This record gives sequence, structure tokens and C-alpha cells, in this order.
Amino acid sequence: IVMTQSPDSLSVSLGERATVNCKSSQSVLFNFNNKYHLNWYQYKQGQPPKLIIYWASTRVSGVPDRFSGSGSGTDFTLTINSLQSEDVAIYYCQEYYTDLRTFGQGTKVEV
Amino acid sequence: QVHLQESGPGLVRPSETLSLTCSVSGYSIGSGYYWGWVRQSPGKGLEWIGSMYHAGNAFYNPSLKSRVTMSIDTSKNQFSLKLRSVTAADTAVYHCTRDDYGDLYYYDYWGQGTRVTVSS
Repeated sequence: IVMTQSPDSLSVSLGERATVNCKSSQSVLFNFNNKYHLNWYQYKQGQPPKLIIYWASTRVSGVPDRFSGSGSGTDFTLTINSLQSEDVAIYYCQEYYTDLRTFGQGTKVEV
Repeated sequence: QVHLQESGPGLVRPSETLSLTCSVSGYSIGSGYYWGWVRQSPGKGLEWIGSMYHAGNAFYNPSLKSRVTMSIDTSKNQFSLKLRSVTAADTAVYHCTRDDYGDLYYYDYWGQGTRVTVSS
């Protein structure tokens, strides 16, 4: 399975919206729970990666609601509404469907 | 709060074995969850290495399986990674993780990461 993110980087003004796309080369829908096993992580310089979205659209408790995940089939999106300075990071999607648990190549979000 | 901390040598010679340990606080690893390793290298981005349950069940990335061994020591609340026959391609930052395999299917806690360089 290949996870392809786009763009590789984007620059967004403070308060504007950032959109990160992730495309999987095959479905990541688990039939047994009818969930897309697609996670999003935020990776800031000098910090460990942080899980922000799981099951493609479920936000982790404590994550600001300006972060949202959407998508179906093989196309998924992470949206950051009203970008804040603390959101500067590299964002990775990850499939937890195959035995490779592949990550996308990452999208660098800058202000 | 669950906290994970990696430790181990920062420099390993080619063909030798990379050995890392992850110390866990705030949660008893014998109580549940899988415990694993993810690395980040400049050439390959983030790559899952493997995950292990305290009872011994383990899953490894097929691309690394022949060289990887993981172990868990519940008495020390630690788990370890051994990667044999390393090459320069194994140079990376290695993170230990808590792996929620079987329930929500994600890595919810990560260590800060330890940089390992493979060089003679």
C-alpha cells in the first residue's frame, strides 16, 4: 500500500485554513468495524509525534476543534481551520490496515 | 500521564546490532496494549518497525522482520528492540510507542526519539 500526501508543503496565513490530502493506493476500510483505519499525526520539531485524528475523522480528546478529518474510499483530508502559530508542524497520515502500517511522506505546514 | 523514554547508543557500526530500550512510566506495560517502535529516516520518512504484547505476541514490518527482535520486561516496565546487521540505511531517529492494536488501532503515546547513526 502506498500513502501519498499532497502537497509536500504549504504556507498558510494565520487564521486561514490549511488542507492536507492523503490518498491510499487501496481501501483502508475494515469490514469488521466499518471504520477507515486512517490516522493523522502532528510532528513538531523537538517533540514526539502526536496523534490528532483516528478512524479518518475522530478527533483525539484535547485536540482543538479547528482540526478535523474527513474522507472515504481512498481519499482523506486533514483540515486545520483558523491556523495558529502552534500548528506549524509536519503532518503525517498513516494506514493501520495492512501489516506495513504505512505512513505518508508528510506535509509541512508553515505560516 | 504515560511517558516513554528511549535509551541506547547513538552510534552503531555497520553489520553490528542496534539495541534500544524504552522505559515506560505512568502505565504498567503488563496491563495491556502493544508496545512498539517507529523510526524516521531522511530517506524513508516514518516507518513502523514492530509491536509486541506483554504476553509475547509480536508483529513486525515484513521488510525488517528477518533482522528484528523485540522483547518486554514487565518487571522493569521496559521493552527493547534489537536490529541486526545494520547498514547506513538504518540511520534514523527511533521512537518507541504505545500501540492500540485490537481496539482503536493507533499509536497514542510516543517517546521523544533517540537518534542512531550507523557508521564506522
